Amino acid sequence: GAVVSQHPSRVICKSGTSVKIECRSLDFQATTMFWYRQFPKQSLMLMATSNEGSKATYEQGVEKDKFLINHASLTLSTLTVTSAHPEDSSFYICSAFPVGSSYEQYFGPGTRLTVT
Amino acid sequence: DQQVKQNSPSLSVQEGRISILNCDYTNSMFDYFLWYKKYPAEGPTFLISISSIKDKNEDGRFTVFLNKSAKHLSLHIVPSQPGDSAVYFCAASATGGTSYGKLTFGQGTILTVHP
Repeated sequence: GAVVSQHPSRVICKSGTSVKIECRSLDFQATTMFWYRQFPKQSLMLMATSNEGSKATYEQGVEKDKFLINHASLTLSTLTVTSAHPEDSSFYICSAFPVGSSYEQYFGPGTRLTVT
Repeated sequence: DQQVKQNSPSLSVQEGRISILNCDYTNSMFDYFLWYKKYPAEGPTFLISISSIKDKNEDGRFTVFLNKSAKHLSLHIVPSQPGDSAVYFCAASATGGTSYGKLTFGQGTILTVHP
């Protein structure tokens, strides 16, 4: 149980285009999902908190107009990187907080974004 | 400002021996701590956690120790197995208020267990 999927697993796009990444909780419902970014050989950095039915909250320094988050249902959150630039190339990972969970959250397998 | 630090980038251990991974934190609001195992190009996998009301939690080969006064925690793996080779991340959470669920990660420690 407690499986989180991400799609796509890997994407290459041209500079200036937009890319959508999906995060799904497959066997549980999650009112809260988190989006992280990991640069090579660095830690996971929290970007934003996605709440079902309400606006996402962003960490300091993360541009909300560039990283659009939609949490349309209890099993799906999407992250759209708008007007992507090479510096947005990174590994994006989501996590989902099961409804009723105390503290444990489950991570997706990640999406490798490369902007050329 | 690195609030969670793993000062050892890597650790090499012989199979069967103990692996000790260390983590320090600075934010006194953190009251829940987790260890994750991660392979390249994959998401982290939860290993074990500990609440600040405890100083030790065990789960099979994994034990986490918390020293609140020193703001230090460690993960012990006994006995270490080659399959334990991965990157280990320490994470901390301040469970109260608007921070609920948000995790702050350390930089990770690469553990290599040699047969």
